Amino acid sequence: AQSVSQHNHHVILSEAASLELGCNYSYGGTVNLFWYVQYPGQHLQLLLKYFSGDPLVKGIKGFEAEFIKSKFSFNLRKPSVQWSDTAEYFCAVRDSGAGSYQLTFGKGTKLSVIP
Amino acid sequence: ETGVTQSPTHLIKTRGQQVTLRCSSQSGHNTVSWYQQALGQGPQFIFQYYREEENGRGNFPPRFSGLQFPNYSSELNVNALELDDSALYLCASRGDGNSGNTIYFGEGSWLTVV
Repeated sequence: AQSVSQHNHHVILSEAASLELGCNYSYGGTVNLFWYVQYPGQHLQLLLKYFSGDPLVKGIKGFEAEFIKSKFSFNLRKPSVQWSDTAEYFCAVRDSGAGSYQLTFGKGTKLSVIP
Repeated sequence: ETGVTQSPTHLIKTRGQQVTLRCSSQSGHNTVSWYQQALGQGPQFIFQYYREEENGRGNFPPRFSGLQFPNYSSELNVNALELDDSALYLCASRGDGNSGNTIYFGEGSWLTVV
């Protein structure tokens, strides 16, 4: 079974600081990887996804993530955060060979950006 | 706007009761899945339906069941509610083929079991 580990439960940053949120997964097969964001009171929104190809993936709102297969990692980065990035961030993995489109999520990292 | 709407947004039930949560997906989205998100946790996969047939299930007991209808609506039913069933229930839908690489989530239904 797959599992996803997000290292930080709560991260607090000042505006303009750089962000890196860690995500590691455990699964030996081929995977699809995702980062979702959940703003307070809103639905889960896809930030970016990796299926194949260039391991450096760019998403919306200036976010990017790098897939490092040897480390089973898919860390999320942003060079300069804004107050509006305050939200909860979830990393998710999918077995790309599975029949169902089941996503396994991490527990999430809450990001608080201080103006 | 994801095109996925869920109802009700909030509800309170008593232990042992039954609940039905509803979801309406985008036209053409033949796959719908349901997730449970407990407080402080990430969403957990309950099950998935494709063209009205269940084709994937997570580690949830049979008292969690579902239905999918031809009009792109679906239901999650939970029988014999337990206190631990208190959570946010998320519906997600996707299209077929390459358009199905993105899953669209609804805003969820908050269920409190007392």
